[in-house]
Amino acid sequence: DQQVKQNSPSLSVQEGRISILNCDYTNSMFDYFLWYKKYPAEGPTFLISISSIKDKNEDGRFTVFLNKSAKHLSLHIVPSQPGDSAVYFCAATSLRTAGNMLTFGGGTRLMVKP
Amino acid sequence: EAGVAQSPRYKIIEKRQSVAFWCNPISGHATLYWYQQILGQGPKLLIQFQNNGVVDDSQLPKDRFSAERLKGVDSTLKIQPAKLEDSAVYLCASSLGASGTYEQYFGPGTRLTVT
Repeated sequence: DQQVKQNSPSLSVQEGRISILNCDYTNSMFDYFLWYKKYPAEGPTFLISISSIKDKNEDGRFTVFLNKSAKHLSLHIVPSQPGDSAVYFCAATSLRTAGNMLTFGGGTRLMVKP
Repeated sequence: EAGVAQSPRYKIIEKRQSVAFWCNPISGHATLYWYQQILGQGPKLLIQFQNNGVVDDSQLPKDRFSAERLKGVDSTLKIQPAKLEDSAVYLCASSLGASGTYEQYFGPGTRLTVT
């Protein structure tokens, strides 16, 4: 039972345009969400997060939107750059449970074409 | 600040052999995690330590996997005996573990191939 799903395995975008990566979750206990970026042969690196008390969080070119009623979040990258080409993982946790363990989605491979 | 260190980076073994992975977390990070990432999937938590105590090991296949974190710093993950389906990247991550800090920092991982 996948509690966090990223339904698009890959996404191709032209440089300078917007990239939108989507993530859905099923567990109502999740109240904190994170996006990680992963380059080949490296570990995932933290990108941006959002608490369930917010519906938007912005950090430079990266914005995460949360729709709690739809149990859906999205990561927007504007403008997209070739260096953004990587695999992006959505992760979720419940701050109400001990340990704050992360549940990851399967990832979306983003390719930004020059 | 030095990141999370892992070794070896790559390992190839035959099924039924044993293997061990090592992780050194970021200095001062109380919480340490081991994840298994199978090709094409997201990381799956195997075990979480808070200092040298286990917080959660519900997804660790305890008949063949074991992990320890001596003195609350370095950690080792062992597989004995290995199966073909254990082929994956094993990621170690650490976090401060303090209230209000949820970001985990990952090491580069160890790619295990079981033949």
